Amino acid sequence: GAVVSQHPSWVICKSGTSVKIECRSLDFQATTMFWYRQFPKQSLMLMATSNEGSKATYEQGVEKDKFLINHASLTLSTLTVTSAHPEDSSFYICSAILANYNEQFFGPGTRLTVL
Amino acid sequence: KQEVTQIPAALSVPEGENLVLNCSFTDSAIYNLQWFRQDPGKGLTSLLLIQSSQREQTSGRLNASLDKSSGRSTLYIAASQPGDSATYLCAVIVHYGGATNKLIFGTGTLLAVQP
Repeated sequence: GAVVSQHPSWVICKSGTSVKIECRSLDFQATTMFWYRQFPKQSLMLMATSNEGSKATYEQGVEKDKFLINHASLTLSTLTVTSAHPEDSSFYICSAILANYNEQFFGPGTRLTVL
Repeated sequence: KQEVTQIPAALSVPEGENLVLNCSFTDSAIYNLQWFRQDPGKGLTSLLLIQSSQREQTSGRLNASLDKSSGRSTLYIAASQPGDSATYLCAVIVHYGGATNKLIFGTGTLLAVQP
């Protein structure tokens, strides 16, 4: 149980375009989902916390207008990278918390490359 | 501000050797600590979660210890195998507001087990 999926697993786009990444909890309902970013050879950095039905909470230094997060249902959160630039190229990983449970379950990640 | 550091950054050992990975954190006010494994280009696999009231957790060849007062955790891997080669991340779990906790990740240790 507690499986989290991400789609797509990888994406290549041109500079200036927008890219949407989906995070789904497959067999449980997640009231809270997290979005992380990982640059090559670096650790995971939390970008934002997404709560179902409310606005996301962004970490310091993360532009909320650039990284749009929508958590429309208890099983789906989306991250849209708007007007992507090469410096946005990274590995994006989401996680989800099972309601009333303390542990985060991680998705497999999405590799974004902006040309 | 909580900072999590892992030493060494990289480690190469021959197959069969026992090894210890170190994780240190600056603020002892943590809920739990969790060790993960990450294969290249992949998401995270949870290995062990140690609650703040616990001293250690064991799973198969893995043993993780936690000393909150000194801000340290170790991951012990017995009889290492080439399949253990991966990046190992530790993360401290801290209170984030409301009923939500947050993971702060360490810098990671890249392990290579030579056959």
